[in-house]
Amino acid sequence: DAGVIQSPRHEVTEMGQEVTLRCKPISGHNSLFWYRQTMMRGLELLIYFNNNVPIDDSGMPEDRFSAKMPNASFSTLKIQPSEPRDSAVYFCASSKGGQANTEAFFGQGTRLTVV
Amino acid sequence: AQSVTQLDSQVPVFEEAPVELRCNYSSSVSVYLFWYVQYPNQGLQLLLKYLSGSTLVKGINGFEAEFNKSQTSFHLRKPSVHISDTAEYFCAVSASGTGGFKTIFGAGTRLFVKA
Repeated sequence: DAGVIQSPRHEVTEMGQEVTLRCKPISGHNSLFWYRQTMMRGLELLIYFNNNVPIDDSGMPEDRFSAKMPNASFSTLKIQPSEPRDSAVYFCASSKGGQANTEAFFGQGTRLTVV
Repeated sequence: AQSVTQLDSQVPVFEEAPVELRCNYSSSVSVYLFWYVQYPNQGLQLLLKYLSGSTLVKGINGFEAEFNKSQTSFHLRKPSVHISDTAEYFCAVSASGTGGFKTIFGAGTRLFVKA
């Protein structure tokens, strides 16, 4: 299996622009997570889906952020409009079983820079 | 709600020396415990996990961790480190909750192995 695939790997955009990050989870995994990693705040869970349904989006910072999972093999995280403080590495992860005792498999991340 | 504290932000150590990375957690419910490793410019990958049973858990790359319920700790150890172990290490706690589960990551410990 190719693992969790994220695109793009790097994104540089101007403040105010819309940014869309993409994720393909591992086939057969039914839970998908979006995390944000910064030096100041560490690794934060933004949202997670179970069987394509958002279960917990309490970590989404504000209305500028939205996430969708239209099917089991694809998810997007959108920021509109983007701001410089959104600069971070965004990770997608997936797991099988939808339970607390299963490990998460991470993608390589998307490094977002908003200038 | 659960929380994770990694007591050391950075741990410098000489090659072939032993190392311990400390992790304490708090939770009002039963938890599952994980250690992940992150190499530069990569996503996190699982080192080991404690679900139940023996409190000493062995993982990949010669790492092990011991679950101590009375001290609410899950410290990671390796008897002899290599240069290639230089990375950031994350302790994580996962617990079931209403409608799903939540995994909380610690702030990370940067292990720096010197020749």
